[in-house]
Amino acid sequence: EDQVTQSPEALRLQEGESSSLNCSYTVSGLRGLFWYRQDPGKGPEFLFTLYSAGEEKEKERLKATLTKKESFLHITAPKPEDSATYLCARGSGGSNYKLTFGKGTLLTVNP
Amino acid sequence: DTAVSQTPKYLVTQMGNDKSIKCEQNLGHDTMYWYKQDSKKFLKIMFSYNNKELIINETVPNRFSPKSPDKAHLNLHINSLELGDSAVYFCASSLLDRPLYGYTFGSGTRLTVV
Repeated sequence: EDQVTQSPEALRLQEGESSSLNCSYTVSGLRGLFWYRQDPGKGPEFLFTLYSAGEEKEKERLKATLTKKESFLHITAPKPEDSATYLCARGSGGSNYKLTFGKGTLLTVNP
Repeated sequence: DTAVSQTPKYLVTQMGNDKSIKCEQNLGHDTMYWYKQDSKKFLKIMFSYNNKELIINETVPNRFSPKSPDKAHLNLHINSLELGDSAVYFCASSLLDRPLYGYTFGSGTRLTVV
């Protein structure tokens, strides 16, 4: 069964305090590891896709990395506008391709 | 110019009623999905359609019936609504042969059954 586990469930940071979010997933049949951002009352917004172990992608203060069993979303010098729920998702399947999501990490950045 | 649009945004209804949620995408994608996000914010796939053909049907009660009149539209009809159906329902779309591009989600429909 596809499984995606995110930790911590919630994270509170001071502005400028860097940290990382963790995502561990079922390795078998993996076809892409995705990070999304979700703001209250909105749909998830695509951030990154990672495909191979060792791959890294960056966007502003966010950097996503992938190992054989885990992915990390590093947040460098966060600002209050980075506050959101960050969702990790595992892609699997062929003609029945689907994303299986974790429960997310609620990030709050205080000014 | 909304890429994936859902209507209505909010839906409050009584138990036992039948309701529909509509979704449209203008991205030229060939695959559309319905996801349910429960009160604990857990996002779970329900259905997916590729070019009007059902390709994923997760363990969902028969009261839920998706319909795709064309590849740009995917509707969700729910019969005999129950309290446990209260959730936010998200529509999404993608290109089936470009899975690594990810999904584009709509802004959700908050369904409240009273």
